Amino acid sequence: GAGVSQSPSNKVTEKGKDVELRCDPISGHTALYWYRQSLGQGLEFLIYFQGNSAPDKSGLPSDRFSAERTGGSVSTLTIQRTQQEDSAVYLCASSLASASYNEQFFGPGTRLTVL
Amino acid sequence: TQLLEQSPQFLSIQEGENLTVYCNSSSVFSSLQWYRQEPGEGPVLLVTVVTGGEVKKLKRLTFQFGDARKDSSLHITAAQPGDTGLYLCAGETGANNLFFGTGTRLTVIP
Repeated sequence: GAGVSQSPSNKVTEKGKDVELRCDPISGHTALYWYRQSLGQGLEFLIYFQGNSAPDKSGLPSDRFSAERTGGSVSTLTIQRTQQEDSAVYLCASSLASASYNEQFFGPGTRLTVL
Repeated sequence: TQLLEQSPQFLSIQEGENLTVYCNSSSVFSSLQWYRQEPGEGPVLLVTVVTGGEVKKLKRLTFQFGDARKDSSLHITAAQPGDTGLYLCAGETGANNLFFGTGTRLTVIP
């Protein structure tokens, strides 16, 4: 399909382990966002990539969280030394930077469970 | 941090009833969006409002942006079970970032 895809859909890990979450944005979308959603509530902004500009990392909750975007397309969110409070659904979204308004298209999310 | 409060947080109604969801903030937004999210899926955009006082209709859904562009409402007429989901408002400040509301979980009982 032509939508945003994320993998894995579910991830169960043990406390202290590292995890990598992947996002494939819609082709041609230059903006990419990562959000965290706990217990079906609102979305918490984590990080934003726009083209070749330096990413906006202002939402990352700690230095255990990092993200990269290779070739302006696929993005990986890495959480090191996971903690139980990291358990949440991690959502990725992409948008057209040239669009009149910042309309974001979301992937289905990765549900992370830290035991 | 721009804070968007939604009310009510939870709403359970019978099919055919009307309802209104509110999204309030002390911040001014250049645009405001409403999304609906179903279990196991990402949010899907319903509408974007950009002008103070603007009203947009999408079938049985009516969206309004406050005159001061700080608040918005979503009114659903004759709710259907298919309207069940998590409704999220999101405000944009023009910095290419959206600030999402706390969400309203709607359940429409057949």
